[in-house]
Amino acid sequence: GEQVEQLPSILRVQEGSSASINCTYENSASNYFPWYKQEPGENPKLIIDIRSNMERKQTQGLIVLLDKKAKRFSLHITDTQPGDSAMYFCAGPSSSFSKLVFGQGTSLSVVP
Amino acid sequence: EAAVTQSPRNKVAVTGGKVTLSCNQTNNHNNMYWYRQDTGHGLRLIHYSYGAGSTEKGDIPDGYKASRPSQENFSLILELATPSQTSVYFCASGDWHHNNQAPLFGEGTRLSVL
Repeated sequence: GEQVEQLPSILRVQEGSSASINCTYENSASNYFPWYKQEPGENPKLIIDIRSNMERKQTQGLIVLLDKKAKRFSLHITDTQPGDSAMYFCAGPSSSFSKLVFGQGTSLSVVP
Repeated sequence: EAAVTQSPRNKVAVTGGKVTLSCNQTNNHNNMYWYRQDTGHGLRLIHYSYGAGSTEKGDIPDGYKASRPSQENFSLILELATPSQTSVYFCASGDWHHNNQAPLFGEGTRLSVL
């Protein structure tokens, strides 16, 4: 079990509202879950991460929640702005802790 | 400052030719990765490495080889390039498991196989 499933694939929200992206994983031993933002033509950049000893982490308008029982983690972007429009990827380690597997990505558009 | 440097940034190759993509990291990370990114497929893991001398198959290793001669360098080799390998390739390094160092990506290499 090494898949990371990410939904939705496309998300369109009104400026100032919140956006939520959900990921599920298979490997119950997974202990590290990073989130990346990728703008067109650029590389993915880490925006926030959470370890399995935490249930919630917050930084600069981003909230990550981790539900280990459900093997689910989510990213919540509060008070979205046009600059938040980008691709977002979740990731998690597989049974090999060095192997990092990515979700399929979410294309977020923040409209005025 | 932590850095992952890829070369070349752009490459045009001919079908059947050999292509080598290079990656260098100055972060002293144990783990290094090669991903490819295609529209509709996200980031797919080709090969990864635990450290100098080790290479492991990722999820889509067919048609690719990897080499990790040192802690700093990790190469991806296409012995017989095919048009289906036209893609954007990203190298990354990280060591979150032991040293709380999140994976960092290089700037990417855009490869076209004609």
